[in-house]
Amino acid sequence: QKEVEQDPGPLSVPEGAIVSLNCTYSNSAFQYFMWYRQYSRKGPELLMYTYSSGNKEDGRFTAQVDKSSKYISLFIRDSQPSDSATYLCAMSVRDDKIIFGKGTRLHILP
Amino acid sequence: AAGVIQSPRHLIKEKRETATLKCYPIPRHDTVYWYQQGPGQDPQFLISFYEKMQSDKGSIPDRFSAQQFSDYHSELNMSSLELGDSALYFCASSLTLGGAEQYFGPGTRLTVT
Repeated sequence: QKEVEQDPGPLSVPEGAIVSLNCTYSNSAFQYFMWYRQYSRKGPELLMYTYSSGNKEDGRFTAQVDKSSKYISLFIRDSQPSDSATYLCAMSVRDDKIIFGKGTRLHILP
Repeated sequence: AAGVIQSPRHLIKEKRETATLKCYPIPRHDTVYWYQQGPGQDPQFLISFYEKMQSDKGSIPDRFSAQQFSDYHSELNMSSLELGDSALYFCASSLTLGGAEQYFGPGTRLTVT
């Protein structure tokens, strides 16, 4: 079993909808939780970074961490076609290597 | 804002050849990480450096070596290239060891023929 599980999609939603992306993990030592967005043939772009359980909001993006359930989520409100990309959840125990999920391909339909 | 710079952006090599990938971190970032991303795969951690010392090692083949220099740039040296080494190689940097916010460069696409 991979340490981080993420549904690869693809996930297609109409423009303006709320998108929910999720990951589960098995290593309870993970303390840092990130979401990266990756466009085709580009490097991952850090979207959200959280340390503790709870919610963190940044514009249209909300990251949610539930350590008790080993479950993290990313919500995108008012989704736009430009949000179409692969979204990778990522985690680390301390501060070094990041363990990524497989990534979810998201398509926002105009 | 300045980002992580990687060179070259594209590299084509033949089997058994050697390749050198370079990474220039964001100014004031002293920690560098290397990742390998195969087609349709998630990035896999290879190796990291903090203050010119190796800080962690992942699934990096013995044919690969890396170092960080006094100006904090890093180089990944790959020898005896194999077809399976074809991938995107990303470098990321963070402000310090202890900063989980890693910022990725655009990647070097290595093709081994």
